[in-house]
Amino acid sequence: EAEVAQSPRYKITEKSQAVAFWCDPISGHATLYWYRQILGQGPELLVQFQDESVVDDSQLPKDRFSAERLKGVDSTLKIQPAELGDSAMYLCASSPLLAGETQYFGPGTRLLVL
Amino acid sequence: KQEVTQIPAALSVPEGENLVLNCSFTDSAIYNLQWFRQDPGKGLTSLLLIQSSQREQTSGRLNASLDKSSGRSTLYIAASQPGDSATYLCAVRTNTGNQFYFGTGTSLTVIP
Repeated sequence: EAEVAQSPRYKITEKSQAVAFWCDPISGHATLYWYRQILGQGPELLVQFQDESVVDDSQLPKDRFSAERLKGVDSTLKIQPAELGDSAMYLCASSPLLAGETQYFGPGTRLLVL
Repeated sequence: KQEVTQIPAALSVPEGENLVLNCSFTDSAIYNLQWFRQDPGKGLTSLLLIQSSQREQTSGRLNASLDKSSGRSTLYIAASQPGDSATYLCAVRTNTGNQFYFGTGTSLTVIP
C-alpha cells in the first residue's frame, strides 16, 4: 500500500540553526499539507500545496519558515533560524483532490530544539 | 475561525466495553468531518470520513455520526480491545476554506 514518506524521523538541533524536513506524498496526489503538532494538541496547518502552487500559507511564520514543492511532487519545509518553541512533530499529508478527500499522513518528523 | 473541541480529553475503559467519543465544532458550514487515530509518536491514520450530506459512516466496530446543525459528531467504538488504545482526533473542513481544523484529541486506554 502506498504511503507518505518523511525524513528524517527525528532531528535534534540547537537554536539559531537551520533545519529542513522532506516529504514524498503518495504518487499522483496533487495536494500536499504540512502540519505542526505540539505535544498534547491537534495538528495545525502550516502550508498547503496544490501541485507546485501554495494554496494556503496563512499560518506559516514566514519570517523563519519556508516551504517549496518545485516539481509538484516532493516537498521541503525549512526553518531558519530554529527557536526553542519550534520543538514539535511536523507532519506531512497528501490527498488526491483539493476539495476535501481523505488525507493520508506520513509518520512525521519529531524536532527537538535545544 | 472554526474551533473544534473533543471531550473527554482522556478515557480509560475495561476491555469489551462500548464507548463514545465526542467532537463539537463552532461553525456548522462544514464540507466534511474526519476521524483519525494516532498512536504515540506516530502519524495519523484515517478512520472514517463523513461528508456534510451524510449522517453517519461505519467501518467494522466503528460508527461515526454527524449532526451538522448542532455542530456535533460522535465516534462509537463497539466491544473495545486493548489494541484500540490510542489518541483519537476529529478534524473539520469548512466550506469557506481549504484546511482541516483539528481537535485536541481524546486519549483512550483500554485495560485488558
